[in-house]
Amino acid sequence: EAQVTQNPRYLITVTGKKLTVTCSQNMNHEYMSWYRQDPGLGLRQIYYSMNVEVTDKGDVPEGYKVSRKEKRNFPLILESPSPNQTSLYFCASSPGGGEGNQPQHFGDGTRLSIL
Amino acid sequence: AQSVAQPEDQVNVAEGNPLTVKCTYSVSGNPYLFWYVQYPNRGLQFLLKYITGDNLVKGSYGFEAEFNKSQTSFHLKKPSALVSDSALYFCAVRSYTGRRALTFGSGTRLQVQP
Repeated sequence: EAQVTQNPRYLITVTGKKLTVTCSQNMNHEYMSWYRQDPGLGLRQIYYSMNVEVTDKGDVPEGYKVSRKEKRNFPLILESPSPNQTSLYFCASSPGGGEGNQPQHFGDGTRLSIL
Repeated sequence: AQSVAQPEDQVNVAEGNPLTVKCTYSVSGNPYLFWYVQYPNRGLQFLLKYITGDNLVKGSYGFEAEFNKSQTSFHLKKPSALVSDSALYFCAVRSYTGRRALTFGSGTRLQVQP
């Protein structure tokens, strides 16, 4: 089954404790992206990657890091999480990294609470 | 900068009636436009897209959207609403050129009453 898998689905942690949210897709997609969803703000793009070793900032990259060492994986790293990063996070992927006209496939989300 | 506006936080409609969810956008050059739907505790699911060509786009589950370049709008429509259409709907845009980032609207909750 074609899917985007995020782990963990839920996480409660404390300020300053480094964490990684993993994202993996099995569709051989070039393009991958991370979003955060907050009430009243919709989805805001954090980082995206058009292919292996190619990443770029979205609209809200501060406090986050990403890497794209393999085509299927695109982990989101919070080096020193803070309470304002409490949110619902989504990973997405799509084919055709350069054209950008393909719909994205979304994971089921990761709910992060940072105390 | 590109942006999307969904002016209604919530739209209420009776089952069987037509529905419209509004979206306007701002982007440099020509746009790629998308509609997604989100059900509780799930990721977003693709409904339809406008790339080029016919201004009326048909998508999944009987939904369609009309691209209006002069009004910079891309409203989502369905002729006859179902209770199962109740969900959160997002409009998204990106430019043909420039940044490859996708910008989403704030979402519109559709409530279809039996």
